[in-house]
Amino acid sequence: EVQLVESGGGLVQPGGSLRLSCAASGFTFSNYWMSWVRQAPGKGLEWVASIKQDGSDKNYVDSMEGRFTISRDNAKNLLYLQMNSLRAEDTAVYYCARAVRISDYWGQGTLVTVSS
Amino acid sequence: DVVMTQSPLSLPVTLGQPASISCRSSQSLVYSDGNTYLNWFQQRPGQSPRRLIYKVSNRDSGVPDRFSGSGSGTDFTLKISRVEAEDVGVYYCMQGAQWPPTFGQGTKVEIK
Repeated sequence: EVQLVESGGGLVQPGGSLRLSCAASGFTFSNYWMSWVRQAPGKGLEWVASIKQDGSDKNYVDSMEGRFTISRDNAKNLLYLQMNSLRAEDTAVYYCARAVRISDYWGQGTLVTVSS
Repeated sequence: DVVMTQSPLSLPVTLGQPASISCRSSQSLVYSDGNTYLNWFQQRPGQSPRRLIYKVSNRDSGVPDRFSGSGSGTDFTLKISRVEAEDVGVYYCMQGAQWPPTFGQGTKVEIK
């Protein structure tokens, strides 16, 4: 069974940093592009970033490039999102998702709240 | 970015009746490999999104056959043949043909 379990969310002050993790199981992690998608409270879905199977290619939504960094550890089946210079508008549930174009499995999400 | 426009945004439905959601894209969703990357997701209250349909009309494993997807190019539809109580939630279309992937605004399905 495919499982994606996010962790690392919490309350952070504006300008602060946070690193999210996603533990993958039930499939060969190194065979898939992986992605982060977020959802602000009561709002719709917004893509954040995606990373190629071997980490050699990374794509970001323009508004997050330069502040967010996606990475992965295929030996540990872990996906990461390093978030710096956080703003109030980054408050959201962050989901880990398998693949990009067909995005078939999603985790339960981890809540990030940016507030003073 | 490709803009995805859903309608309606709110859809009250009587149990057992059909429902239909439209999704239009600002550009063609046909990718260079010939596939059309239009997916549909269901988000029940308090849950994460779950994919129902991929590449326009392919139903995911475990998805009831009352759900169907159709369309081509820039115009797509999700249909529920007979709405059940468990279908309550928000439905999103999503395009994966161009970076970045983008979603429609969501259609809230509720029972009348």
